[in-house]
Amino acid sequence: DAGVIQSPRHEVTEMGQEVTLRCKPISGHNSLFWYRQTMMRGLELLIYFNNNVPIDDSGMPEDRFSAKMPNASFSTLKIQPSEPRDSAVYFCASSLVESTIYFGEGSWLTVV
Amino acid sequence: DQQVKQNSPSLSVQEGRISILNCDYTNSMFDYFLWYKKYPAEGPTFLISISSIKDKNEDGRFTVFLNKSAKHLSLHIVPSQPGDSAVYFCAATTITGGGNKLTFGTGTQLKVEL
Repeated sequence: DAGVIQSPRHEVTEMGQEVTLRCKPISGHNSLFWYRQTMMRGLELLIYFNNNVPIDDSGMPEDRFSAKMPNASFSTLKIQPSEPRDSAVYFCASSLVESTIYFGEGSWLTVV
Repeated sequence: DQQVKQNSPSLSVQEGRISILNCDYTNSMFDYFLWYKKYPAEGPTFLISISSIKDKNEDGRFTVFLNKSAKHLSLHIVPSQPGDSAVYFCAATTITGGGNKLTFGTGTQLKVEL
């Protein structure tokens, strides 16, 4: 069974550049989440979708962050322009509503 | 404002002994609590959960205790094994809210030594 698939696994980019992180949720799951992990704040929920519709984006830190889910099998998280403080591990996760959440392996972002 | 707090960033335990990981929460609307385990370079994986209608849930070597009046939960691992060495995240949600949006703590790094 394929789990949640994220790409790229590692990204190093220069400040000011656009970063796009991609996620393929588990087939059949109707909820998708983007989390960010930092040492100081642990795992923070950035945004989540139910049935491809954004439900709660209150965790998105700034207008530089945007997320889309054009269909049930694909989502993107975009940062434009990127800044060094955006360096973190970004996790995508999916689930059936009110069921266990399954995480991908994460995208390690470094902005220099 | 951290609604879920794990005040111990790290814990070291000898193999065979009990590991106790603690978690506090501030939001009284939370009614479902979970523990996730994370190995390096992997995503978190679900470990065990507990509903607010219970005060204990057990699964093999893992037991979660919930003290609602104190807004505190703990994860007990007994006996601890070297393979349990990982970061453990406490999470909480409001099931009655109709969704599964999880609020996580900052994690506790458990090291089980031989």
